[in-house]
Amino acid sequence: AQTVTQSQPEMSVQEAETVTLSCTYDTSENNYYLFWYKQPPSRQMILVIRQEAYKQQNATENRFSVNFQKAAKSFSLKISDSQLGDTAMYFCAFMKHDYNQGGKLIFGQGTELSVKP
Amino acid sequence: GAVVSQHPSRVICKSGTSVKIECRSLDFQATTMFWYRQFPKQSLMLMATSNEGSKATYEQGVEKDKFLINHASLTLSTLTVTSAHPEDSSFYICSALTVPIIDTQYFGPGTRLTVL
Repeated sequence: AQTVTQSQPEMSVQEAETVTLSCTYDTSENNYYLFWYKQPPSRQMILVIRQEAYKQQNATENRFSVNFQKAAKSFSLKISDSQLGDTAMYFCAFMKHDYNQGGKLIFGQGTELSVKP
Repeated sequence: GAVVSQHPSRVICKSGTSVKIECRSLDFQATTMFWYRQFPKQSLMLMATSNEGSKATYEQGVEKDKFLINHASLTLSTLTVTSAHPEDSSFYICSALTVPIIDTQYFGPGTRLTVL
């Protein structure tokens, strides 16, 4: 069975600074996806970034980038130039690449990020 | 972008009553929908997976008779909490995707259920 672990329950960062959120996972699969989702106080889940396991290049989306270390089963999220609107709960998630499974997501425990002015 | 709606956004009911929550994909056909439960400050816990036209697949520990899921069309799935009790109070979230694009899951805004 796959597991996802986020070891930082809470983090804080000053506005405009950079912060890195950690995530490790355990799987015996070779083909899978990894995601970071953001859940602001509204509780709407928002996809931040996606990484396909077969791609060696780390995914980036504007101020958000990941450090994907497949051998170490590590998938950290770096937020550059933090903004007040980045304040949210962040979830790391794993999905096995299996059409029969229909894209089931396994979430980590979450990291609550506070961006301070 | 693809939009998923949930109705109602908040519901308060008395213990012993049943509550139905709707999840709709507004601009795409959702071959698969997922139902999650989330407690405050905690992660999303997958309750069940529903595919259009077939019975839902429940995760271990989730009572099938308590949480009835129906996915009757490609745009609508419903979750009915039967004989609700205070311990069923929680935030329920649905998500949807279209096979074979399994790497993109669209989330609804959630429903807060309070059972008195």
